[in-house]
Amino acid sequence: AQKITQTQPGMFVQEKEAVTLDCTYDTSDPSYGLFWYKQPSSGEMIFLIYQGSYDQQNATEGRYSLNFQKARKSANLVISASQLGDSAMYFCAMRGWNSGNTPLVFGKGTRLSVIA
Amino acid sequence: NAGVMQNPRHLVRRRGQEARLRCSPMKGHSHVYWYRQLPEEGLKFMVYLQKENIIDESGMPKERFSAEFPKEGPSILRIQQVVRGDSAAYFCASSPRTLGRDTQYFGPGTRLTVL
Repeated sequence: AQKITQTQPGMFVQEKEAVTLDCTYDTSDPSYGLFWYKQPSSGEMIFLIYQGSYDQQNATEGRYSLNFQKARKSANLVISASQLGDSAMYFCAMRGWNSGNTPLVFGKGTRLSVIA
Repeated sequence: NAGVMQNPRHLVRRRGQEARLRCSPMKGHSHVYWYRQLPEEGLKFMVYLQKENIIDESGMPKERFSAEFPKEGPSILRIQQVVRGDSAAYFCASSPRTLGRDTQYFGPGTRLTVL
């Protein structure tokens, strides 16, 4: 079984600053994937970034990067140069590879507010 | 390339009525997942389907809920005799395969309100 913990219910960041959203996970699968999704106020779920457990380098996608620390079981999302449009809920999720067709397991999310 | 389509976007039902939620996966995707999101919560897995087959329904309530993904047409999540506790956002996601590394792409969700 997998578990995702997001300990920050809400975060504030000044526009143009960087922000880190925390995510820790627990799994018994030796291979797994970690995902971040953004949910703006309109409600849709937008895929941001993926990190595989055996990937040697931290994933990056534009202004998003994933600070993956396998020994600590953490997969923090870093957003650089925050924009007002980044204000949203952010969900960390994971799925294992070796436990059959496992679904995504989500954390409870972090609400990010970007201040002008 | 159209994304995952869900309809309706908003659905209002009275207690005891039936709710039918539709999901058309992305082109080329044959794996569909349904998730439910309660207010201020993360998404919780309900059911995973491939064409004409339910692969994993471990997250779906045993009564009143059913899902299908026919050979032709969209996937349907059906809730019979809805109760107020069914009020939630229901998301459908699709992926081309079922490997752990494969990203699931989500539809816009259906917001069900039970009066």
